[in-house]
Order: sequence, then structure tokens, then C-alpha cells
Amino acid sequence: AQKVTQTQTSISVMEKTTVTMDCVYETQDSSYFLFWYKQTASGEIVFLIRQDSYKKENATVGHYSLNFQKPKSSIGLIITATQIEDSAVYFCAMREGGSSSFSKLVFGQGTSLSVVP
Amino acid sequence: DTTVKQNPRYKLARVGKPVNLICSQTMNHDTMYWYQKKPNQAPKLLLFYYDKILNREADTFEKFQSSRPNNSFCSLYIGSAGLEYSAMYLCASSRGSDYTFGSGTRLLVI
Repeated sequence: AQKVTQTQTSISVMEKTTVTMDCVYETQDSSYFLFWYKQTASGEIVFLIRQDSYKKENATVGHYSLNFQKPKSSIGLIITATQIEDSAVYFCAMREGGSSSFSKLVFGQGTSLSVVP
Repeated sequence: DTTVKQNPRYKLARVGKPVNLICSQTMNHDTMYWYQKKPNQAPKLLLFYYDKILNREADTFEKFQSSRPNNSFCSLYIGSAGLEYSAMYLCASSRGSDYTFGSGTRLLVI
């Protein structure tokens, strides 16, 4: 069965610094997709970035990037030049299977990020 | 329109009363999901429709019902709400590995 684990419950960083949030996953599939989402203060779940397991290059979107270490089943989220408004709960998620097949999205427990001035 | 719409945004229900939440999308996504999100917990998958086939998670099998009368619309039904149902309910849709989440319905049961 697929499983996603985020061991960091909360992190506090200074504004304009870089933060890394950890996530490890378990899967028996050779093909899978990894996602990071952010939960806003209003409760909305917002998609940030994804990594397809067959891609070797780490994904980058804006000031979000991923540290994909496939042998370690690890997908870390890196936020550079953090801003106060980056304060939120961040969820790691995984979907097994190829893009044409169905599979559910499973979430980790979340990491609360606090960016302070 | 690339959004998932959920109504209402907030819902107040009394213990023992039924609750019906609705969700819609016009992206022609084949799969629609309902997640329950409580504070400090991961979103928990309750059930999903893959096309017209309903799949309910084993531990929530008898607590939640759903219907999907057409590709665009999906509802979540609670027959008799309990205090433990107070949570944010998130609807999502997907085609392949592309997921879109709605803004959620915050349900408070009193």
C-alpha cells in the first residue's frame, strides 16, 4: 500500500531565507507522481509543484523546487527567498500508476511553516 | 473554466440531521473525489467516482453516500450528522495525474 510521511510537524524560518521540507514515500509501483500542496489560511488546498517518477531532473516552479532522491524514496520541497505569505501548512502527496490509469492521491500529515520577519 | 466549485462554502448542521454537499467541474475530468480535512490532520479520502463507479474507503464505507448523475456533478451525503463530522470537506477532480481541488465546504455540526 502507498504511504506518505512528513516527519516535520512545524518549521519556523526567517524571511528571505531558504527552507526545506522533508517527505518520504512508500510504493510498490515503478511509476508514480509526487505532489506538493499548500493549505491556505482559508483552508483551500493549492497545488504547488509535481515530480513524475520517471523524470530525473528536479522540478522547479517559481521559488519552489524539489529535491527528488528516488533511491531514498524522498521528495523534499525547497522554498527559496521565503516570504511572510509563504506561512502555511504544506502537504506532500503521491499518486501511483501511469498517467492513463486510475489511482488515488494519498497525503502526508503536513508541515506547518512559519516565516517570521 | 479550470476550477472545481463547491457549495456551500460554510454549512451549519444539527446532530442527527442530514447534510448534502455539492461539487461541480467542467473540465471533463473522469474522476471526482471527496476528502475530509480536520485540523492538524492529513486530508482523508472518503470516496471517489471513477466515471460512474463509486468507490468508498473501507473505514468510511457506511458513513458517507455519494451520487454522480453526470460527469460534471458529484454530491456527498451524510444521512445523520454527528459532532465528529465537523470538518472541511474538499472535492477534487482528476484526469490522469492532473488534479484540481475545490475551495472546500466547512461543515460545523452542533
